[in-house]
Parts: sequence; C-alpha cells; structure tokens
Amino acid sequence: KQEVTQIPAALSVPEGENLVLNCSFTDSAIYNLQWFRQDPGKGLTSLLLIQSSQREQTSGRLNASLDKSSGRSTLYIAASQPGDSATYLCAAPFTGTASKLTFGTGTRLQVTL
Amino acid sequence: NAGVTQTPKFRVLKTGQSMTLLCAQDMNHEYMYWYRQDPGMGLRLIHYSVGEGTTAKGEVPDGYNVSRLKKQNFLLGLESAAPSQTSVYFCASSYSLRSRGGSLFFGPGTRLTVL
Repeated sequence: KQEVTQIPAALSVPEGENLVLNCSFTDSAIYNLQWFRQDPGKGLTSLLLIQSSQREQTSGRLNASLDKSSGRSTLYIAASQPGDSATYLCAAPFTGTASKLTFGTGTRLQVTL
Repeated sequence: NAGVTQTPKFRVLKTGQSMTLLCAQDMNHEYMYWYRQDPGMGLRLIHYSVGEGTTAKGEVPDGYNVSRLKKQNFLLGLESAAPSQTSVYFCASSYSLRSRGGSLFFGPGTRLTVL
C-alpha cells in the first residue's frame, strides 16, 4: 500500500529557531511532492511543489528537498516565527494513481515567543 | 479570482436527511476532488473528477454521490446522512497532478454535523 508518513505529529520550538519537518513515502515512483499548510479551521494552502526530477524548491524562508531513492522529503523553515504555527502536510501522487494525492497526517507546529 | 469556493460553510443534519455540497472553481482546472478530514484520520479522498462529465471513486466513497455537469462545479451529495458522516469536507482542484502546474488548490471547507 502506498503511504505517506509524517513524524513527529507535533513539534514546539521557540521563535527564531531553524527547524526541519519530515515526510517519508513508501513508493519512490512519485510524480512530485507537495507541502501544504493548514491553519486551524481553514483549508489547505499549497506551499511548495517539487517535481520528481528536482532535488529542492525554495520560497522565502521555506526550503523543501526531495530524495526519491530514500523515499524522503524535508521542509526546512528558517528563523521560525509565531505566524508559522500551523499544521504542515505533505502529499504525493503515486504512479498508477496519478490523478490522486496521498496525504500524510501532518505535523502540528507551534512556535512560541 | 475567487479560487475554490464551497457552499455552505456549516450545516447540521438529522440522520436520514439529504443534502448537497457545492464546490466551484474559476481557474479552469480539469481535476476536482472531494476530501473529508477527521481527527486522527487525516485527509481521505471521497470522489474525484478528471474532467467535465467524469467522476471516479476515491478511498471512502460509500454513502456519497457526485456530479460534474459543468467544468467549474463539482457537487457532493449525501442521500441519507449518518452520524459517521460528521466531518469537515474539503473540495480541491488542479491541473493534471503530473504536470508542472499540478499544485492543488483547496476550498475553505464545510463543517457538517449529523445528529
């Protein structure tokens, strides 16, 4: 079964810290990998999309990497701020199910003052 | 652009009642999806559509029906609501997930409670 796993489920860090969120997937045959942010009571917002041919993507203080051979992706957040507090989810369309994303269950991040 | 919109935002039903959730997108996306999100279960795909007039089952389709009569709209129907369908429902849309424009755009969600 194709699965996406995110560990830890929750993370609390003080403001200013650099942090890494992890995402692992069971099948390296993915088209791409997306990272999303979800604020409480809101929908998901796409942060970064990495194509299978790419190693990383950057947007502001966010950097996402992809290592298909090891089945892992990381989201690096530099100089964290309280406004970064949210749940972060990763998702991928596996080959053979290219019309559908499989989601991880997310990491709930809290950045404290 | 409004992006992806969902109607209604909240709804309370009694067991056995029916309702339709409406999703609309103005980005000319081919693909549209209905997900439900439950605590501890993550996002689960109910039904999806890869183009006008097409629908397909996702991971948890039982108890739901869908229609995509127009490219911009995707309707999710509950014919006889059950308490197990209490959830937050999200609609999403995209170009092909395999393309470089394959980012998924989500609506704000509909919070449904079935008593």
